This record gives sequence, structure tokens and C-alpha cells, in this order.
Amino acid sequence: NAGVTQTPKFRVLKTGQSMTLLCAQDMNHEYMYWYRQDPGMGLRLIHYSVGEGTTAKGEVPDGYNVSRLKKQNFLLGLESAAPSQTSVYFCASSSFGGYTEAFFGQGTRLTVV
Amino acid sequence: SQQGEEDPQALSIQEGENATMNCSYKTSINNLQWYRQNSGRGLVHLILIRSNEREKHSGRLRVTLDTSKKSSSLLITASRAADTASYFCATDQGAQKLVFGQGTRLTINP
Repeated sequence: NAGVTQTPKFRVLKTGQSMTLLCAQDMNHEYMYWYRQDPGMGLRLIHYSVGEGTTAKGEVPDGYNVSRLKKQNFLLGLESAAPSQTSVYFCASSSFGGYTEAFFGQGTRLTVV
Repeated sequence: SQQGEEDPQALSIQEGENATMNCSYKTSINNLQWYRQNSGRGLVHLILIRSNEREKHSGRLRVTLDTSKKSSSLLITASRAADTASYFCATDQGAQKLVFGQGTRLTINP
């Protein structure tokens, strides 16, 4: 049982480049989340989805876009990467939002130079 | 801004001692959850307490919730080296969002 899988695990981007982070879950969960984690800042919610075809903004959505075309996948896009987006990105999923436990991926360490 | 704030930011204790960390939040909640994060890894769920519960136990973990004070505490009894990790509280916002605090970094010294 894979749970939540993030691809890639590491990436280095140059300023202005674009990339897509993929999150896949095999638990048939409705809710999916993208967080970023910076030293001393805890986890901050970027975007989330409450079901296939839906997306919503979190606390820090600027500079990111997301899509949930399939229930099992949640994609996070950076159209024009900036050094301020250097961070560790975590994807999570849950069956019913804040009412149930969330399962996390192993994280993607992104460096923008 | 983040919903939950953990206190202390860092805690260092001897193996075998108890560890207590606190979480305060700003708005009304339906549930509060605690997670653990080992260095460089994803978060792992520990326990969920609902707003109508005051205390919950799971093994060596004890969680309390005081909705009148908008605060929760996590107690780890008889700490072990393997408990060294960061601990986060998370609250729901309107049931859909799951918002985390900044975490408490716990170090268990042998």
C-alpha cells in the first residue's frame, strides 16, 4: 500500500523556470492538500482540493497553481520559479478534511537558484 | 496567518522524563490533531480529539483540549530516544482546511 507518493523528491530550478510537482494517493481520499515547510514557519497551506475537479486557495497561494483532474492526483505548478519558493513541499490527503487524519507524502525538496 | 501556535518552540529532556507541549488556536474548531515529524520525513498522525472531548489517550500519549481557552496539550510519558522529533498541532477550519502550527522540536537525551 503506497499511500501518498510525491514526485520528484529533489529538484533544482533556475529562477524563471517552471515545473510541476505530482502527488498521487491510492486511498480514494476526497481531500488533498499542498503545504510548504520553511525553517521556523511550520507548514503553510498553499492550495487544497475537496474533490475531483475542485481547487481552493490556502494561506500562501501566490505563485502557485494546482489541478485535480483525477481524484487520485493533485498537481502543484510553479509557472515562473523564484528563490522565495525554495522550500520543502508536502502533499497530504484525507477522507474528510479536518474531521479525519491526514496522510502525508515524503516531501519534495525544491531549490530555486 | 497560521491557526495553531505551539509552545515551547524547542524542548530538551532526559530519557524517561515526561514531555509536555502546548498548542493554542484562534478560532472555533471541530477537531484538533497532533502529528509527529521525524527529521527530513513527512508528518505522521498521532491522535485526533474532537471539540466535545476533553481528554484522549493513545499508548504513552495523552491529549487534552480546552475549548474555552482555545488550547490543547500533548503529554508524552516515559520518553524514549525514538520520540525525538518535531510535533505539530493541526486544526480544521470549516472542516475543509487543515491548518498547522509552527511545531515544537523535542529532543530526548540519553
